Amino acid sequence: EPEVTQTPSHQVTQMGQEVILRCVPISNHLYFYWYRQILGQKVEFLVSFYNNEISEKSEIFDDQFSVERPDGSNFTLKIRSTKLEDSAMYFCASSEGLAGSAGDTQYFGPGTRLTVL
Amino acid sequence: GEDVEQSLFLSVREGDSSVINCTYTDSSSTYLYWYKQEPGAGLQLLTYIFSNMDMKQDQRLTVLLNKKDKHLSLRIADTQTGDSAIYFCAESFVNRDDKIIFGKGTRLHILP
Repeated sequence: EPEVTQTPSHQVTQMGQEVILRCVPISNHLYFYWYRQILGQKVEFLVSFYNNEISEKSEIFDDQFSVERPDGSNFTLKIRSTKLEDSAMYFCASSEGLAGSAGDTQYFGPGTRLTVL
Repeated sequence: GEDVEQSLFLSVREGDSSVINCTYTDSSSTYLYWYKQEPGAGLQLLTYIFSNMDMKQDQRLTVLLNKKDKHLSLRIADTQTGDSAIYFCAESFVNRDDKIIFGKGTRLHILP
């Protein structure tokens, strides 16, 4: 069964450094997402991406964050100048269509645990 | 605003039924979901229900939706040790197509 993959599984970085989290969505999917889950808290939507541009973003997704689909398979989340509070599990997801109107399922990757020291 | 609430813990004896409950505030949701997260793993979609349905059954899983009370439940029949995980209730919306709003998750603990 096709699945979303993410690398690395765990990333440790120093405060102020830049990190890039990588995701390979399911190949025929058109919509891509990033969510994060701070330990013990809710899974929170960060951003959605369609047709090579951001379609929606949350208030968490400020100028520190950016997303890119550099080629036909990868989808990346870049976090510039990381802060301690960026420590979280970051989940990538993809779907064929939109969840709300088409009911298309978002399939999630296993997550990247980011630890900022 | 959008909010999804769940109790944080549930303990159930192996072989019994588990019922995980969820309440939500935004009645404009179109689909409601149950995701499962095993330790160290990602979010696995278990099942979902369209908001105009009352019930959906899928093998050991039964989803009940009470739209009037904005209450969603997941019943797992004959609970097994492999069902031990965190279960997230979530919803999506017709006018906010992209994102899914999650609850905090209910940790299901199976007693021998």
